[in-house]
Formats: sequence, C-alpha cells, structure tokens
Amino acid sequence: KQEVTQIPAALSVPEGENLVLNCSFTDSAIYNLQWFRQDPGKGLTSLLLIQSSQREQTSGRLNASLDKSSGRSTLYIAASQPGDSATYLCATIMTTDSWGKFQFGAGTQVVVTP
Amino acid sequence: DTGVSQDPRHKITKRGQNVTFRCDPISEHNRLYWYRQTLGQGPEFLTYFQNEAQLEKSRLLSDRFSAERPKGSFSTLEIQRTEQGDSAMYLCASSLGVTNEKLFFGSGTQLSVL
Repeated sequence: KQEVTQIPAALSVPEGENLVLNCSFTDSAIYNLQWFRQDPGKGLTSLLLIQSSQREQTSGRLNASLDKSSGRSTLYIAASQPGDSATYLCATIMTTDSWGKFQFGAGTQVVVTP
Repeated sequence: DTGVSQDPRHKITKRGQNVTFRCDPISEHNRLYWYRQTLGQGPEFLTYFQNEAQLEKSRLLSDRFSAERPKGSFSTLEIQRTEQGDSAMYLCASSLGVTNEKLFFGSGTQLSVL
C-alpha cells in the first residue's frame, strides 16, 4: 500500500522567503504526483501535476520536482507572500489503481508572516 | 464553468440519524469522486463514478454508506444510522476522465455527528 508522507507538518516563514515543501512516497509505480492547496474549511485546488516520465513542472512562482527512484517530490514557492498561507498536500496515483484514486499525504500547513 | 458545488456546506446531526449530501460536478465532466477528510489528515478515497456507473468503492465505504449518480449528472452520498466516527469533511471532485488530468474539488460538506 502506498504511503505518502509530508514533513514538516507545519512551517512558518517571513514574507519574501522561499518555501520548500517535501513529499515522500514508498512505491515508485505511480502515474503521476500532484500538489494541491487547501485553505481552511475549503476544498482542494490543484497546483501542479507531474507525470511519472517528467522531472519537474513550473507555474509562475511554483516549481515541483519529482524523483521517482528515491520516492521524493519537492514543491518550491519563490518569494512567499501572506496569501500563500494554506495547507499544501501532495498525492499520487498508482499505476495499478483507477484514475482519480489518489493517495494523499497529511499536508504541510504553511504560515507566511508579513 | 461554475465549478463543483456541494450542498449543504455544514450538517450537524444526532447519532443514529440518516444524512444525505449532494454534489453537482462541472457540467461536461464524466467522472465524479467522493473523498472523506478528517482533521489533520489528507483526503481518503471513497468511491467514483464514470457517468452513472459506480466503478469502484473503497473498503472505507461500509454498508451504511450509499452513493448514487442518476443520469450521470449530480451525485448523492447517503449515510444511514450515523456514528460519531462519521464526523468528517466529505469532498466531491470531478474530471473529464482522461489519464493525467487534474481533479476539480468542491468546497466540501462538513459533517458533525453528536
């Protein structure tokens, strides 16, 4: 069974610093890995999707890398802003599973202080 | 595109009562997913539909849970004889049904069982 772990569980940084969020998974037989953002009491918003054949994806200030062999993904957020405060979750889909059946980590709660 | 909508946003019920939640996916999306999220954890997959067909159910979905998607449009999730352990955020998501696509989540229904 795929285990997805996110460390640390919480992170606080001053505005302007770069954020580095980590995700590790135990089984490398994945279709892809996605990073989501969740605001308190709300649903999830997909940020970046990295296919298993890709090494990284970028969108604006966000960059996500994927190293399947080591079972790791990293989300970088450049020049953090208070609006980046949220919980960030990573999730994978196994090649043996139905599309949409994600295995999620518990998330990293981020606070960016002005 | 009005996004995925869920109703109600909050539901408080007494143990033993039945509850029903509704999800309206993005109109052109063929696939609809239900997830459950407890405090401090990532969402857990419950079930998904391809049009009106329910194609997979998690072991988390006990006999007290039933989901439907009549006519392949909106979906309902019913919990019979609720238990305190059912308290969670119930999230709905939808997608076109193409591999390596993003999922679009609703804001969820927060269930509290007293």
